[in-house]
Amino acid sequence: ETGVTQTPRHLVMGMTNKKSLKCEQHLGHNAMYWYKQSAKKPLELMFVYSLEERVENNSVPSRFSPECPNSSHLFLHLHTLQPEDSALYLCASSPQAGLNQPQHFGDGTRLSIL
Amino acid sequence: DQQVKQNSPSLSVQEGRISILNCDYTNSMFDYFLWYKKYPAEGPTFLISISSIKDKNEDGRFTVFLNKSAKHLSLHIVPSQPGDSAVYFCAASVDTSGTYKYIFGTGTRLKVLA
Repeated sequence: ETGVTQTPRHLVMGMTNKKSLKCEQHLGHNAMYWYKQSAKKPLELMFVYSLEERVENNSVPSRFSPECPNSSHLFLHLHTLQPEDSALYLCASSPQAGLNQPQHFGDGTRLSIL
Repeated sequence: DQQVKQNSPSLSVQEGRISILNCDYTNSMFDYFLWYKKYPAEGPTFLISISSIKDKNEDGRFTVFLNKSAKHLSLHIVPSQPGDSAVYFCAASVDTSGTYKYIFGTGTRLKVLA
């Protein structure tokens, strides 16, 4: 079961392209997250949104631009990425950002930068 | 500087035996710990959690033990089944100004041999 859906599942783009990753959750959660997982590295938190307001920006370069139009949708806009940005990007949601409750993950977007 | 460490990248166990996955952490402010399981091409799935006020939590075949003095937690799977073969991530939660952040380990790949 996946209450968190990410599209596309795979994305190949050049360094000068602009693309967007999409995440949608059907769990009625109020908090959404973007994570990056590079090879042989732990998941790294990128952004946290609570009720559509960004509450955490984990020193992420400006070439990554998140957008949360409502509590069910989260986007990650990408532009002028670097080869080291190739990674698995995971979206997650949880009931509240301020409560210790498990986060639910999507299946991720595998991003390759040429 | 990793705050959550899973020092065994892989583990092989015979079906029916016990699997023990270990996790160490350095930050004494962590107050909630989780284990996630990840199959290939899927996102992490929440497995079990434990609050820092407890030292054990059990859910069916899965038990998590927390040793706060040693800053160590472990996940026991008994009996192990071939379907348990996956990558297991340990995560610790810390409150940063009202938002809970997860810090993940690098994962342990468990292979259960039939």
